[in-house]
Amino acid sequence: ETGVTQTPRHLVMGMTNKKSLKCEQHLGHNAMYWYKQSAKKPLELMFVYNFKEQTENNSVPSRFSPECPNSSHLFLHLHTLQPEDSALYLCASSPRLAGGPGDNEQFFGPGTRLTVL
Amino acid sequence: RKEVEQDPGPFNVPEGATVAFNCTYSNSASQSFFWYRQDCRKEPKLLMSVYSSGNEDGRFTAQLNRASQYISLLIRDSKLSDSATYLCVVTPYNFNKFYFGSGTKLNVKP
Repeated sequence: ETGVTQTPRHLVMGMTNKKSLKCEQHLGHNAMYWYKQSAKKPLELMFVYNFKEQTENNSVPSRFSPECPNSSHLFLHLHTLQPEDSALYLCASSPRLAGGPGDNEQFFGPGTRLTVL
Repeated sequence: RKEVEQDPGPFNVPEGATVAFNCTYSNSASQSFFWYRQDCRKEPKLLMSVYSSGNEDGRFTAQLNRASQYISLLIRDSKLSDSATYLCVVTPYNFNKFYFGSGTKLNVKP
């Protein structure tokens, strides 16, 4: 167990649906991240939060809407997605944002495998 | 140019072999370096951080070459359980990003 949980683990949705992904970290970390991992592609950073404030939006379409109510919880609200949005969505946390090695490693949740029909 | 580049492999090696991967990065101001391991359909997990002086953890040795802007991972005495994709991760100083390579796939065969 990495201390980062994600729900649901699998999600199938239609293009007109609205759904939310949830991430919770039990590690006392201050930074949280959403990544997208498509087949045969590197992880793509989507959003970064530090002390529940968004610090990075990596040109993500507005059909993805993040929410960070506190340092332990992170949501990704989904609406009117496209089939090409089907991917593994990974949440991660780290003690803080970029800094020296040894104290800012990222820990990942198991991911939500999303299929958009 | 990609921030981080890795040879996708696959590297097919027999048990007991020594195998090495390299990863190059484009931003000379990069400050933090990591190797992650990702098993099929699982999340990435930290394997080891990479320190300037190089570091070793059991059968795994990581090296950093700032002059040539690459990091390496050496695995000695490969085990079947080492079969996975190895991801190189680089963080520029004071940036809110972790840049991931696309990974190098390792298959260790009996």
